[in-house]
Amino acid sequence: DAGITQSPRHKVTETGTPVTLRCHQTENHRYMYWYRQDPGHGLRLIHYSYGVKDTDKGEVSDGYSVSRSKTEDFLLTLESATSSQTSVYFCAISETGQNTEAFFGQGTRLTVV
Amino acid sequence: QKEVEQDPGPLSVPEGAIVSLNCTYSNSAFQYFMWYRQYSRKGPELLMYTYSSGNKEDGRFTAQVDKSSKYISLFIRDSQPSDSATYLCACPNQAGTALIFGKGTTLSVSS
Repeated sequence: DAGITQSPRHKVTETGTPVTLRCHQTENHRYMYWYRQDPGHGLRLIHYSYGVKDTDKGEVSDGYSVSRSKTEDFLLTLESATSSQTSVYFCAISETGQNTEAFFGQGTRLTVV
Repeated sequence: QKEVEQDPGPLSVPEGAIVSLNCTYSNSAFQYFMWYRQYSRKGPELLMYTYSSGNKEDGRFTAQVDKSSKYISLFIRDSQPSDSATYLCACPNQAGTALIFGKGTTLSVSS
């Protein structure tokens, strides 16, 4: 299994509070991604990174920010959590980003109440 | 129109059946096509990928791409209860920087 660790695995938070999810990899892959998975919508890309300090927006980036200060860590921040951000969040990594397989973490189940 | 469309199912079959899972895509520039399998409460894992048109076989699984109709298929022969999972098709985006996924088809194989 690819070395990807997401933390926390489960979190319940209140509306309006900031939340940070962490993705840590031991594979030294250049590309890292954050997806969210919701019933009826499948996996949707939030943000991705193509190197340290290099990030770009995905399909559903509103309300989210990311940071990547080291190759191995990619943080996803919800500045002010809303109930619509209740979801399962997956981190993924890819060696080249182009057309090759992405490896996924186990997911973080976030509930905003 | 979403770039990758997939019938979410659910699909229920008896053990031993042949299963056909399908996706369509809109961008004719897509060259790589992937199938991921996701067990309940787990992350997706790559099952197979194909380049351009044609078939690729791996054991009981066959991936097929028809670029003329923009149609992607995954066939599972002699389906097993352990094949019960959600299957997601995926294509790299036009920039080649991320994967675009279908919504996934949930398959249940009963013994």
